[in-house]
Amino acid sequence: DAGITQSPRYKITETGRQVTLMCHQTWSHSYMFWYRQDLGHGLRLIYYSAAADITDKGEVPDGYVVSRSKTENFPLTLESATRSQTSVYFCASSVSRTGGNTEAFFGQGTRLTVV
Amino acid sequence: AQRVTQPEKLLSVFKGAPVELKCNYSYSGSPELFWYVQYSRQRLQLLLRHISRESIKGFTADLNKGETSFHLKKPFAQEEDSAMYYCALHSGNTGKLIFGQGTTLQVKP
Repeated sequence: DAGITQSPRYKITETGRQVTLMCHQTWSHSYMFWYRQDLGHGLRLIYYSAAADITDKGEVPDGYVVSRSKTENFPLTLESATRSQTSVYFCASSVSRTGGNTEAFFGQGTRLTVV
Repeated sequence: AQRVTQPEKLLSVFKGAPVELKCNYSYSGSPELFWYVQYSRQRLQLLLRHISRESIKGFTADLNKGETSFHLKKPFAQEEDSAMYYCALHSGNTGKLIFGQGTTLQVKP
């Protein structure tokens, strides 16, 4: 299916385990983003990527690792999960960096619980 | 620093009442501002962008550079407007897209 998809939709993991959240888009958008959504904090940017092999930190990158070996995939890894990383994670993509066409398209989210 | 502030976590109004969701930003440059909406159990989606000066579902937003604001307004709220609204700032230099804390709009019958 065309669009942007995240997997898994729901994940429960234990403290200290490594977890990888997947994000795949079919539009060949240059930009991809990872956000976490928490009550009282809204959406906070974790990492973003301008193109394959180009990634940069967002507002809350600590404890997370990303990679972008292919344009269409942007996985997010929690190296050693902590309870404070319990959240809903959203992936997004957009066409370009400048101009009015910077609309971001979002995945359906991954609800991660760290116990 | 690039920052977006939405001071209200919850805005509750009656159907037919005017609505204004506040958004203030901090950005050293020409900002690109957006409003996104998340309806219950749906994905976040674009509502409107300042550059096109459009009206979507009766909502409008005007960029006020002097007050560094981009408030979202609607003259007559409808129950179907109940959702979470996010103001977002895009940096043309870095490509970074930053969101505010979000405001839940609750429209009561």
